[in-house]
Amino acid sequence: EVQLVESGGGLVKPGGSLRLSCAASGFTFSNAWMSWVRQAPGKGLEWVGRIKSKTDGGTTDYAAPVKGRFTISRDDSKNTLYLQMNSLKTEDTAVYYCTTSPPGGAFDIWGQGTMVTVSS
Amino acid sequence: EIVLTQSPGTLSLSPGERATLSCRASQSVSSSYLAWYQQKPGQAPRLLIYGASSRATGIPDRFSGSGSGTDFTLTISRLEPEDFAVYYCQQYGSSPRITFGGGTKVEIK
Repeated sequence: EVQLVESGGGLVKPGGSLRLSCAASGFTFSNAWMSWVRQAPGKGLEWVGRIKSKTDGGTTDYAAPVKGRFTISRDDSKNTLYLQMNSLKTEDTAVYYCTTSPPGGAFDIWGQGTMVTVSS
Repeated sequence: EIVLTQSPGTLSLSPGERATLSCRASQSVSSSYLAWYQQKPGQAPRLLIYGASSRATGIPDRFSGSGSGTDFTLTISRLEPEDFAVYYCQQYGSSPRITFGGGTKVEIK
């Protein structure tokens, strides 16, 4: 079964850090482009960033609100995607989804999401 | 960055009716890299349409997408009870910045 399972969410104070993980199964993780998408409570979807497959360069891209604070990485040997979030702000509070696509394609597989709350 | 504007914000319809959702881009979306997603409360989004008009695996044929350039449409030919949800358009052609529209809620009238 094709599956993405996020973990690592929780409550963190402003200025703090958190690392999310996304475990993939049922497909060839190393060939996939992986993205993080977030959704603030009651709001729409916001793309956070993406990492390409190593065969396509393994490069990362980020949305402007998180660039310089968030880092996406992958461990193909563990079929796992990561999102390191530093200098967290209250506006980063959201459900964070891990998602995948064929190279340059639409997001066809989604995890169930993990909640991140940034509050003092 | 390409801004996607969806309209209407809310669509109130009855089961069996036709739904027409609009997504307008601030600049041309390259190679029709436009997708539509459905999201129900408490669930992750689900891919419906990619490449502006291609249905994703397992999506019923009552869902169809059309359009090019800056104007795109998602049509649900006859609404089923399970179709009442929020729908988002997304452009993924303006690499590296991917953007979503603000969403259209299809609610039961």
